[in-house]
Amino acid sequence: GAGVSQSPSNKVTEKGKDVELRCDPISGHTALYWYRQSLGQGLEFLIYFQGNSAPDKSGLPSDRFSAERTGGSVSTLTIQRTQQEDSAVYLCASSRDWTSYNEQFFGPGTRLTVL
Amino acid sequence: GQQVMQIPQYQHVQEGEDFTTYCNSSTTLSNIQWYKQRPGGHPVFLIQLVKSGEVKKQKRLTFQFGEAKKNSSLHITATQTTDVGTYFCAGGAYGQNFVFGPGTRLSVLP
Repeated sequence: GAGVSQSPSNKVTEKGKDVELRCDPISGHTALYWYRQSLGQGLEFLIYFQGNSAPDKSGLPSDRFSAERTGGSVSTLTIQRTQQEDSAVYLCASSRDWTSYNEQFFGPGTRLTVL
Repeated sequence: GQQVMQIPQYQHVQEGEDFTTYCNSSTTLSNIQWYKQRPGGHPVFLIQLVKSGEVKKQKRLTFQFGEAKKNSSLHITATQTTDVGTYFCAGGAYGQNFVFGPGTRLSVLP
């Protein structure tokens, strides 16, 4: 596609429910990143993929968070048993490959609100 | 692990004034990137610096990479209201993932 797309753009859920966020990277980009951004805050790194594998899962805040990527393309970030502190904008980015010399292209984000 | 800091956290300037944000890494970097995030938007890549002491310009924006490759700066000359947003630096280290700084939020008063 022309850019990174994310869905849904907004998600309101009740505490305790599971949510699934989707990221569609730029075609041909092998690296994919997930970040979390709370209101007025910086980018909190969650996880990145090179192809279908996730060499670095160190940023996932708890075992309620998981992510997968299939076919080297679309990725889903799943949050189980959501808590109010999970409310934030979840940003996905992709780059040509994982080396730091490639710029990251960000999607518009999914705004998650946990009531 | 690698840490990237930015100062100031916030900056309010009058339109036409200059603005500078500084980025400092706890470790030597292989390269540094700068991103801009407009209010309500997502980060957009501005530029990448790779060489020690490198200086790059984009119109009113001047980017500099320190000689020791541990710090960088972004300077905006004669700010305009379109410069409003948060500026993030992201440090790359050999064999490691990018680390984003916390950002500097710039507001420009007309």
